[in-house]
Amino acid sequence: ETGVTQTPRHLVMGMTNKKSLKCEQHLGHNAMYWYKQSAKKPLELMFVYSLEERVENNSVPSRFSPECPNSSHLFLHLHTLQPEDSALYLCASSQVAGGGNNSPLHFGNGTRLTVT
Amino acid sequence: RKEVEQDPGPFNVPEGATVAFNCTYSNSASQSFFWYRQDCRKEPKLLMSVYSSGNEDGRFTAQLNRASQYISLLIRDSKLSDSATYLCVVNRMAGFQKLVFGTGTRLLVSP
Repeated sequence: ETGVTQTPRHLVMGMTNKKSLKCEQHLGHNAMYWYKQSAKKPLELMFVYSLEERVENNSVPSRFSPECPNSSHLFLHLHTLQPEDSALYLCASSQVAGGGNNSPLHFGNGTRLTVT
Repeated sequence: RKEVEQDPGPFNVPEGATVAFNCTYSNSASQSFFWYRQDCRKEPKLLMSVYSSGNEDGRFTAQLNRASQYISLLIRDSKLSDSATYLCVVNRMAGFQKLVFGTGTRLLVSP
């Protein structure tokens, strides 16, 4: 399997549920990202991990909790979400090199989340 | 003001037409620039990077004007399969990927 894979593709959860989104990249990249895409809005960066260390947390509410156990796997743990958190959650990876020569982002196919 | 601005469209064009999209960015320290394509309910995919000297990939030409802080994408001989949303993406700084996405421009190519 190649590229960036995300599971599940679709998720419906209640506001009191706890669930996790999973992302796996097979590209040998050293950085992984979570983005949120809501209707009519640009993609919003949520978290960035480089070499399994979180280097960016874009003022995301604590009900979203990322985890990066190794350079190939990324999770987004969800708990007590709100209906406005319904969106497409996209995982991406890239190869970050010195001198600003970074590869473009490669996205997974996303998890469409509905919070009821 | 949004950091990356695009006309949302939609741009409705017939097959074979030439269409151009512009994008402006506000952060003059931005380092690198890209066009991504996103099909309906799918993930964004890199279309092409944008270089200062301009670059071409088949029917697609991208240009960057740093002085005016805008990026353009020209599509020649439009195909039905070009129908998608085109996202302008700017990397704020060198080193780490601090990509900022525009909301996208929707293109509809009709027979």
